[in-house]
Formats: sequence, C-alpha cells, structure tokens
Amino acid sequence: KQEVTQIPAALSVPEGENLVLNCSFTDSAIYNLQWFRQDPGKGLTSLLLIQSSQREQTSGRLNASLDKSSGRSTLYIAASQPGDSATYLCALTSGTYKYIFGTGTRLKVLA
Amino acid sequence: SAVISQKPSRDICQRGTSLTIQCQVDSQVTMMFWYRQQPGQSLTLIATANQGSEATYESGFVIDKFPISRPNLTFSTLTVSNLSPEDSSIYLCSAGGGQDEKLFFGSGTQLSVL
Repeated sequence: KQEVTQIPAALSVPEGENLVLNCSFTDSAIYNLQWFRQDPGKGLTSLLLIQSSQREQTSGRLNASLDKSSGRSTLYIAASQPGDSATYLCALTSGTYKYIFGTGTRLKVLA
Repeated sequence: SAVISQKPSRDICQRGTSLTIQCQVDSQVTMMFWYRQQPGQSLTLIATANQGSEATYESGFVIDKFPISRPNLTFSTLTVSNLSPEDSSIYLCSAGGGQDEKLFFGSGTQLSVL
C-alpha cells in the first residue's frame, strides 16, 4: 500500500531564504506526482505536476524534482516571500486518478 | 486547465440536518471527485462522481451518508446527511480529464456541525 510522508510537518524561515520541502513515498510505481498549495480553510492550488518519465519541473521560483528509485520528490522554493506562507501538499497516483496525499508541510515565511 | 466554483464556502449546521454542496466546472471534464479534509489531516477521497450514474465510493464512505449527483459533465453535488459534529471538515470538489491526470480543486466548503 502506497504511503506518502512529508517532513518536516512545519517550517519557519526568514524572508529571502531558499528552502526545500520533502515528499517520500513507498511504492515507485507512480504515474505522476503533483505539488499543491493550500491556504488556511481553502481549496488546493496546483503548483507543479511531474510525470513519471520526468525528473523535474519548474515554474517561476518553484522547482520540483522526482526520483522514483529513491521514492522522493522535493519542492524547491527560491527567495521565499511572506506570500509563500501556506501548507504545501504532495500527492501521487499510480493511474486512474487514484491520488494519495501527504500530510503536508506548513510553511511560514517571516518578514 | 479548469476553474472550479464551489458553494457554499462555509456553513454552520445543526446536528441531524443535511448540507448540499455544489460544484461547477467551467469546461467539460472527464473526472470529478469529492474529498474530505478533517481538521489537521490530509485529504481523503470520498467518491468519484460519475455522469448519469451512481457514484463510486471509497472504502468507509456510503451513499446513504454522502449522496452524490452528477447530471452532466460540468456539475456535481455532494450532500452530507444526518450531520454530526464528526462531519465537521473541509469538503473539496476536484476535477480532471487530461492524459496527464492533472487535478484541479475548488475553493472548498468548510462545514461546522454544532
């Protein structure tokens, strides 16, 4: 059974710092992996999707990587800003939209 | 991409009543789903909403408690029935349809049951 773990559960950094969020999974047979952002009490915003054949994806200050052999994905945020404060969730599927979500990393960027 | 409108955004309900949540997608999508996010927890899939037929429920979720409709490709409703305080959660509609199986989410409905 696939298990998705995100460490740390919470992270507080000063503005301007580069940071890495981690997502680990137990079964490497995945179809794709998505990173989402969730603001308190709100829905999810899709940030990046990495298909199983890809190694990384970039969007602006965000870069997500995928290493299936080690069961890891990382989300790199460059030059963090207070507006980046949110919970970041990774989710993956082995196909047919059966996504399994991690428990998230709650990020706070201090001004 | 798909833009998903979900309403209500929040509600406070009495025990024993029901709440119906609506989800409207701005384009025709193949797949629509309903998720629950309990306080401090991650997302759990409730069911897949199937157009014109009964929804497909995940283990632990039943139609009597969570009836779902999907009359067309862009609209779905989730009803949470016979509410109890344990139903207090965020309920999220999501949709997708591309080969990459990218998921899009609505803004969520925060339900509190007194």
